[in-house]
This record gives sequence, C-alpha cells and structure tokens, in this order.
Amino acid sequence: DAGVTQSPTHLIKTRGQQVTLRCSPKSGHDTVSWYQQALGQGPQFIFQYYEEEERQRGNFPDRFSGHQFPNYSSELNVNALLLGDSALYLCASSYVDNEQFFGPGTRLTVL
Amino acid sequence: KQEVTQIPAALSVPEGENLVLNCSFTDSAIYNLQWFRQDPGKGLTSLLLIQSSQREQTSGRLNASLDKSSGRSTLYIAASQPGDSATYLCAVEGGSQGNLIFGKGTKLSVKP
Repeated sequence: DAGVTQSPTHLIKTRGQQVTLRCSPKSGHDTVSWYQQALGQGPQFIFQYYEEEERQRGNFPDRFSGHQFPNYSSELNVNALLLGDSALYLCASSYVDNEQFFGPGTRLTVL
Repeated sequence: KQEVTQIPAALSVPEGENLVLNCSFTDSAIYNLQWFRQDPGKGLTSLLLIQSSQREQTSGRLNASLDKSSGRSTLYIAASQPGDSATYLCAVEGGSQGNLIFGKGTKLSVKP
C-alpha cells in the first residue's frame, strides 16, 4: 500500500500565477482533505472532498478551489498567488469520517 | 471557535528522560483528539488517536491521555531517545467532523 502521495514535492511560482497540486489517497479511502501549513504554525484546514463534492470549507478565500475525481484523487488549485500563500500544503485521506492519514506535502514558494 | 494551545513551544532534554507534552482546547465538544509527529519539512505521522469516549491510548513508549471536561490532553514519552527529536502536534476533530484543528506544536530536542 503506497499510502497518501502528493505531487509535486516542491514548486516555485511568482506572484499572480496559478498553481495546481495533486493528491492520491490511501487505498480504500474516499475522502480527501487539504491543509495549509505556514512556517512555524500548525496546519490549517482548507477544504474536504467526498463523493466529488466539497463537503466542508475552512476560512480560505475563493482563490483556493479544488476537485475530486471518480478515482478519489484530488487537486488543489490556487489562483492569483500571493507571497503569503508560501507554505507546505498537506493532503489527508480517510474512509468517510474515520482517521485521517497525511501525505508528505508539497512545498510551495511564491516569489 | 475551537482553539488548540500547546505548551511548551520548545523543549530540550537529555537522552533517557521521561517527558510530558501538553495540549489544551477551548471547546470540549470534540469527536476525537490526535497526536502527530512531524520531522522538518515533512508530512505528519499519526502517533495516537483518542476517541471522545476514551481516556487514554498507549503505543510503545508513548501514552496519551484525554480529559474532555477540562479541555486537556497530555502526551507522555518514556525513556526519550535522540530519534524522538521532532515537532509534536496535537489536533482535535470538533464541531465539523473531518476538520482537524491543530495547535502550533512543541519542538522536542533530545540530546545524546
């Protein structure tokens, strides 16, 4: 079992650009959640996808959007990047509302 | 609004010591509480999950307790080792099930 995988590992973008991050859930999991972790902070919940729909959303602007595919994999899109979007983006998967398992993260740097 | 606080922010101990990390939360209406370990620049590794109906969980040298009524949890690490050096994060799953709310973590350094 490969566990939760994320791509890419690192990404460098400039202000105003758009970025797409990808997540493949652990085998048997159908729910994907995304978190943003700024340096020195705990992760903050962005949103959660279940059955290809956004089920919950944290306090993040509409520049942050997502998608879940029929195979349960997910994408996180961020438009009009700001310097403050620089962070480690973590994906977690679960079976419905059971324990969440986290991936290794994608480090996004916005210059 | 649920808030999670972890004390201390950083801790340095000699190898072999037993230690306690603290976590407090403001709203006792939680589904569960989870402790994670994070190595620098890496993802989160789940250590222990305590359901709201449970009082404690144990795994090897780790023991976590939960007191919902007082809004507190502790993570006890026995006989610490240099390999335990990492940031330890506490998270609660609260009013919106599936939404984990994290503290800022305790950075642990175990000196040989």
